[in-house]
Order: sequence, then structure tokens, then C-alpha cells
Amino acid sequence: ETGVTQTPRHLVMGMTNKKSLKCEQHLGHNAMYWYKQSAKKPLELMFVYSLEERVENNSVPSRFSPECPNSSHLFLHLHTLQPEDSALYLCASSQVSTENSPLHFGNGTRLTVT
Amino acid sequence: RKEVEQDPGPFNVPEGATVAFNCTYSNSASQSFFWYRQDCRKEPKLLMSVYSSGNEDGRFTAQLNRASQYISLLIRDSKLSDSATYLCVVSEGDMRFGAGTRLTVKP
Repeated sequence: ETGVTQTPRHLVMGMTNKKSLKCEQHLGHNAMYWYKQSAKKPLELMFVYSLEERVENNSVPSRFSPECPNSSHLFLHLHTLQPEDSALYLCASSQVSTENSPLHFGNGTRLTVT
Repeated sequence: RKEVEQDPGPFNVPEGATVAFNCTYSNSASQSFFWYRQDCRKEPKLLMSVYSSGNEDGRFTAQLNRASQYISLLIRDSKLSDSATYLCVVSEGDMRFGAGTRLTVKP
């Protein structure tokens, strides 16, 4: 079983829809992340849950709402999105207590907002 | 100034060539450094961590220069399968990604 799994792989939604992205990690890590990747731009960190504390990026619009019920599961709730929110959304996990601990990514959800 | 800066490329090289990428970072307090590889429409995957003394993994060599605040990746004897985007990642707590360098290895 892969370390970090994301569903769905692809999502097309209208601007008035509400949907959720799901992420699950099987690596025993204690931190989980949401990143946004737009074309030709660096990955943008959206949210971090680390040691059960949420760290926000204040530039993320409120139409994105994360939820982390436990250390293995992470959700991103979406509502009233805009076309410019179309991007690849990547979940990742890491072990924050380990020096030099890298991120392990899920295979991403490609979101298109129409 | 960008926090993590990479030459976007593209680098187009023949099979068997040696190619090097550099990445500069702005935060001198950065603690951890990585190179990731990302194939088209796929997620980034860890290629290698970068250690202060430099490290090698097969055809790949990574080096860190803290004084000049840059890291490098050297690929020797490049293969067609090395074609991808290479992402420089610098951590000062939060991970900061470069925009990536696109490499195409041609027959």
C-alpha cells in the first residue's frame, strides 16, 4: 500500500459546489500538509498540521477549510471556489521530530473549477 | 528576492551527458536541504537529501555550500529516464520549494 493516498485523483466542480479532498498516510508520521501547485509556480504551502496543532498560511482564502481528525487523515473542504483555484492539490506527510525529515507526497488531486 | 531560486531551464542534453543544476536560498538559518524529482502530471518524489559534507547516490551527487547559500545536483551519464523537473527544497522549519528546473535527455 502506498505511503500517502489521495482521493479523488481528478475533480471538476462548479463555483457553487461543495466538495472535499481526502488524504491518508500510512507512514506513522506526525505532520500532514496541503500544498497547491499551479502551472509554472513553486509549490505553495496552504496548511500544516504538526503534532496535532494547525499552522495556517494567512494568504489562503477562507473558501479552503482543512480538517485533521487524527494524525493519519487530512481533509480539504472546498466551497464557492473560483476558476483561478484550478490546480494540482498535493497532500504530504513528514516526521517533524526527525532531523532532516523529508516530505512524502500523495499523488495529488487535479482540480478544475468551471 | 525569491526564497529559493532555480534556473527554470529547460536543459536539453544528449544521453550520457553530465548536467548540473544550482539552487540558491535566501535564509541563512535554513537547516535541511533536499532535491525532489517531479514527472509530468505526477507528484514530487524525494531524490536525495543534501548533507553538509556532500553526498552521492549512484549517478547523482548533491553538494551544499552554506557560505554562499546554494546547493547543487550533478547527474552523470544521463539517461532518457532522467527527463523530469528537479525541485530544490530548503527547510527552515517550513519547507520552501523552488519552481523547478526542467531536464530533457534526448537520444
